[in-house]
Amino acid sequence: EVQLVESGGGLVKPGGSLRLSCAASGFTFSSYSMNWVRQGPGKGLEWVSSISGSSSYIYYADSVKGRFTISRDNAKNSLYLQMNSLRAEDTAVYYCARGSGGYYYGEHLDYWGQGTLVTVSS
Amino acid sequence: EIVLTQSPGTLSLSPGERATLSCRASQSISAYYLSWYQQKPGQAPRLLIYGVSSRATGIPDRFSGSGSGTDFTLTISRLEPEDFAVYYCQQYGSSRTFGQGTKVEIK
Repeated sequence: EVQLVESGGGLVKPGGSLRLSCAASGFTFSSYSMNWVRQGPGKGLEWVSSISGSSSYIYYADSVKGRFTISRDNAKNSLYLQMNSLRAEDTAVYYCARGSGGYYYGEHLDYWGQGTLVTVSS
Repeated sequence: EIVLTQSPGTLSLSPGERATLSCRASQSISAYYLSWYQQKPGQAPRLLIYGVSSRATGIPDRFSGSGSGTDFTLTISRLEPEDFAVYYCQQYGSSRTFGQGTKVEIK
Protein backbone atom coordinates (compact mmCIF):
# COMPACT_ATOMS: atom_id res chain seq x y z
CA GLU A 1 0.00 0.00 0.00
CA VAL A 2 1.37 3.40 -0.98
CA GLN A 3 1.78 5.70 1.99
CA LEU A 4 3.02 9.28 2.14
CA VAL A 5 3.41 10.95 5.52
CA GLU A 6 4.34 14.61 5.77
CA SER A 7 5.92 16.23 8.81
CA GLY A 8 7.72 19.40 9.81
CA GLY A 9 4.93 21.94 9.65
CA GLY A 10 4.35 24.52 12.33
CA LEU A 11 4.23 28.19 13.21
CA VAL A 12 7.04 30.38 11.89
CA LYS A 13 7.57 34.14 11.76
CA PRO A 14 7.70 36.03 8.46
CA GLY A 15 11.20 35.79 7.03
CA GLY A 16 11.81 32.51 8.83
CA SER A 17 12.60 29.05 7.54
CA LEU A 18 11.08 25.60 7.80
CA ARG A 19 11.91 22.19 6.38
CA LEU A 20 9.12 19.80 5.46
CA SER A 21 9.63 16.08 5.07
CA CYS A 22 7.58 13.38 3.40
CA ALA A 23 8.23 9.73 4.26
CA ALA A 24 7.23 7.32 1.52
CA SER A 25 6.52 3.60 1.69
CA GLY A 26 4.83 0.84 -0.28
CA PHE A 27 6.55 1.53 -3.61
CA THR A 28 9.99 1.87 -5.19
CA PHE A 29 10.58 5.49 -4.25
CA SER A 30 13.42 6.18 -6.68
CA SER A 31 11.25 5.21 -9.67
CA TYR A 32 8.76 8.01 -9.22
CA SER A 33 8.76 11.76 -9.43
CA MET A 34 7.51 13.56 -6.35
CA ASN A 35 5.68 16.80 -5.85
CA TRP A 36 4.63 19.38 -3.29
CA VAL A 37 1.17 20.94 -3.59
CA ARG A 38 -0.24 23.44 -1.12
CA GLN A 39 -3.68 24.67 -0.14
CA GLY A 40 -4.20 27.96 1.63
CA PRO A 41 -6.97 28.22 4.24
CA GLY A 42 -10.30 28.00 2.45
CA LYS A 43 -8.56 28.09 -0.93
CA GLY A 44 -7.87 25.80 -3.86
CA LEU A 45 -4.85 23.69 -4.71
CA GLU A 46 -1.58 25.23 -5.89
CA TRP A 47 1.31 23.24 -7.32
CA VAL A 48 4.59 24.21 -5.62
CA SER A 49 7.44 22.04 -6.87
CA SER A 50 8.39 18.75 -8.52
CA ILE A 51 11.47 16.55 -8.62
CA SER A 52 12.19 13.58 -10.87
CA GLY A 53 13.09 10.17 -9.49
CA SER A 54 16.82 10.68 -9.96
CA SER A 55 16.71 14.37 -8.92
CA SER A 56 17.87 15.31 -12.42
CA TYR A 57 14.85 17.49 -13.12
CA ILE A 58 13.52 20.04 -10.67
CA TYR A 59 10.73 22.56 -11.19
CA TYR A 60 9.20 25.34 -9.11
CA ALA A 61 6.16 27.56 -9.26
CA ASP A 62 7.08 31.20 -9.82
CA SER A 63 5.59 32.07 -6.43
CA VAL A 64 8.29 30.08 -4.58
CA LYS A 65 11.23 30.14 -6.98
CA GLY A 66 14.39 31.31 -5.25
CA ARG A 67 12.92 30.76 -1.77
CA PHE A 68 12.03 27.06 -1.68
CA THR A 69 14.25 24.08 -2.46
CA ILE A 70 12.96 20.59 -3.16
CA SER A 71 15.17 17.56 -2.65
CA ARG A 72 14.94 13.85 -2.04
CA ASP A 73 16.97 11.06 -0.46
CA ASN A 74 16.18 7.83 -2.26
CA ALA A 75 18.13 5.78 0.29
CA LYS A 76 15.79 7.06 2.99
CA ASN A 77 12.63 7.07 0.85
CA SER A 78 12.14 10.69 1.77
CA LEU A 79 11.17 13.93 0.06
CA TYR A 80 11.96 17.37 1.45
CA LEU A 81 10.99 20.98 1.00
CA GLN A 82 13.29 23.63 2.43
CA MET A 83 11.31 26.85 2.75
CA ASN A 84 13.18 30.11 3.35
CA SER A 85 12.11 33.76 3.48
CA LEU A 86 8.61 32.68 4.39
CA ARG A 87 5.71 35.07 3.87
CA ALA A 88 2.18 35.20 5.24
CA GLU A 89 0.89 34.05 1.86
CA ASP A 90 2.84 30.80 2.22
CA THR A 91 0.44 29.78 4.99
CA ALA A 92 -1.13 26.55 3.80
CA VAL A 93 -1.45 22.83 4.19
CA TYR A 94 1.42 21.30 2.24
CA TYR A 95 0.80 17.95 0.58
CA CYS A 96 3.35 15.64 -0.92
CA ALA A 97 2.07 13.73 -3.93
CA ARG A 98 3.56 11.00 -6.08
CA GLY A 99 3.87 11.48 -9.82
CA SER A 100 2.68 8.63 -11.98
CA GLY A 101 6.13 8.16 -13.57
CA GLY A 102 9.78 8.85 -12.99
CA TYR A 103 10.32 12.17 -14.66
CA TYR A 104 7.73 14.95 -14.49
CA TYR A 105 6.27 15.72 -17.88
CA GLY A 106 2.90 14.22 -18.55
CA GLU A 107 2.56 12.68 -15.10
CA HIS A 108 -0.56 13.02 -13.02
CA LEU A 109 -0.50 12.89 -9.22
CA ASP A 110 -1.75 9.49 -8.19
CA TYR A 111 -1.19 9.33 -4.42
CA TRP A 112 -1.28 12.10 -1.85
CA GLY A 113 -0.28 12.39 1.79
CA GLN A 114 -2.54 13.88 4.44
CA GLY A 115 -0.64 17.15 4.55
CA THR A 116 1.18 19.26 7.11
CA LEU A 117 0.11 22.76 8.13
CA VAL A 118 2.51 25.67 7.81
CA THR A 119 1.46 28.94 9.43
CA VAL A 120 3.50 32.08 8.81
CA SER A 121 2.59 34.75 11.32
CA SER A 122 4.21 37.13 13.74
CA GLU B 1 0.75 29.64 -17.79
CA ILE B 2 -2.37 27.70 -18.61
CA VAL B 3 -5.32 28.96 -16.55
CA LEU B 4 -8.12 26.51 -15.79
CA THR B 5 -11.59 27.89 -15.10
CA GLN B 6 -14.12 25.57 -13.51
CA SER B 7 -17.86 26.08 -13.60
CA PRO B 8 -20.14 26.29 -11.85
CA GLY B 9 -18.57 27.31 -8.58
CA THR B 10 -21.23 25.41 -6.67
CA LEU B 11 -23.60 22.71 -7.87
CA SER B 12 -26.63 21.94 -5.69
CA LEU B 13 -28.08 18.54 -6.48
CA SER B 14 -29.90 15.66 -4.82
CA PRO B 15 -28.63 12.09 -4.45
CA GLY B 16 -29.40 10.12 -7.59
CA GLU B 17 -29.12 13.14 -9.87
CA ARG B 18 -26.53 13.61 -12.60
CA ALA B 19 -23.68 16.08 -12.05
CA THR B 20 -21.87 17.78 -14.91
CA LEU B 21 -18.75 19.78 -14.04
CA SER B 22 -16.87 21.90 -16.56
CA CYS B 23 -13.19 22.81 -16.83
CA ARG B 24 -12.08 25.27 -19.49
CA ALA B 25 -8.43 25.95 -20.29
CA SER B 26 -6.96 29.25 -21.48
CA GLN B 27 -5.07 27.36 -24.21
CA SER B 28 -5.13 23.89 -25.66
CA ILE B 29 -3.87 21.16 -23.32
CA SER B 30 -1.37 18.87 -24.97
CA ALA B 31 -1.76 15.13 -25.22
CA TYR B 32 -4.79 14.82 -23.00
CA TYR B 33 -2.86 15.77 -19.87
CA LEU B 34 -5.85 16.60 -17.74
CA SER B 35 -6.92 15.02 -14.47
CA TRP B 36 -9.70 15.39 -11.93
CA TYR B 37 -9.45 15.14 -8.13
CA GLN B 38 -12.03 14.87 -5.39
CA GLN B 39 -11.50 16.47 -2.00
CA LYS B 40 -13.66 16.08 1.08
CA PRO B 41 -13.38 18.38 4.12
CA GLY B 42 -10.26 17.71 6.14
CA GLN B 43 -8.96 15.16 3.65
CA ALA B 44 -6.29 15.08 0.99
CA PRO B 45 -7.31 15.21 -2.66
CA ARG B 46 -7.95 11.86 -4.33
CA LEU B 47 -7.26 11.13 -7.97
CA LEU B 48 -10.43 10.28 -9.90
CA ILE B 49 -9.60 10.68 -13.58
CA TYR B 50 -6.34 11.07 -15.53
CA GLY B 51 -5.59 11.43 -19.22
CA VAL B 52 -9.00 13.14 -19.62
CA SER B 53 -11.03 9.94 -19.39
CA SER B 54 -9.15 7.14 -17.59
CA ARG B 55 -10.51 6.22 -14.19
CA ALA B 56 -7.99 5.79 -11.39
CA THR B 57 -7.78 2.53 -9.49
CA GLY B 58 -10.88 1.84 -7.44
CA ILE B 59 -12.94 4.70 -8.83
CA PRO B 60 -16.52 3.63 -9.58
CA ASP B 61 -17.79 3.82 -13.15
CA ARG B 62 -20.38 6.46 -12.31
CA PHE B 63 -17.46 8.88 -12.68
CA SER B 64 -16.46 9.69 -16.25
CA GLY B 65 -14.32 12.29 -17.94
CA SER B 66 -14.42 13.67 -21.45
CA GLY B 67 -13.26 16.54 -23.62
CA SER B 68 -10.34 17.75 -25.67
CA GLY B 69 -8.41 20.88 -26.50
CA THR B 70 -9.68 23.49 -24.07
CA ASP B 71 -13.01 22.08 -22.87
CA PHE B 72 -13.31 19.19 -20.43
CA THR B 73 -16.12 17.66 -18.41
CA LEU B 74 -16.41 15.46 -15.36
CA THR B 75 -19.74 13.65 -15.15
CA ILE B 76 -21.11 11.80 -12.16
CA SER B 77 -23.96 9.75 -13.56
CA ARG B 78 -25.91 9.26 -10.31
CA LEU B 79 -24.78 11.05 -7.19
CA GLU B 80 -24.19 8.91 -4.12
CA PRO B 81 -24.10 10.51 -0.64
CA GLU B 82 -20.30 10.12 -0.53
CA ASP B 83 -19.87 12.11 -3.78
CA PHE B 84 -20.70 15.46 -2.23
CA ALA B 85 -17.31 17.15 -2.17
CA VAL B 86 -15.10 19.65 -4.01
CA TYR B 87 -13.73 18.67 -7.40
CA TYR B 88 -10.61 20.08 -9.02
CA CYS B 89 -9.32 19.73 -12.55
CA GLN B 90 -5.57 19.89 -13.20
CA GLN B 91 -3.47 20.11 -16.33
CA TYR B 92 0.01 18.63 -16.46
CA GLY B 93 1.03 19.24 -20.05
CA SER B 94 2.66 22.61 -19.44
CA SER B 95 3.94 22.97 -15.89
CA ARG B 96 1.03 22.15 -13.57
CA THR B 97 -2.03 24.21 -12.76
CA PHE B 98 -5.30 23.52 -10.99
CA GLY B 99 -8.75 24.92 -11.49
CA GLN B 100 -10.34 26.78 -8.60
CA GLY B 101 -12.72 23.93 -7.82
CA THR B 102 -16.42 23.11 -8.03
CA LYS B 103 -18.30 22.28 -4.85
CA VAL B 104 -21.04 19.68 -5.24
CA GLU B 105 -23.45 20.14 -2.36
CA ILE B 106 -26.63 18.46 -1.27
CA LYS B 107 -29.74 20.31 -2.37
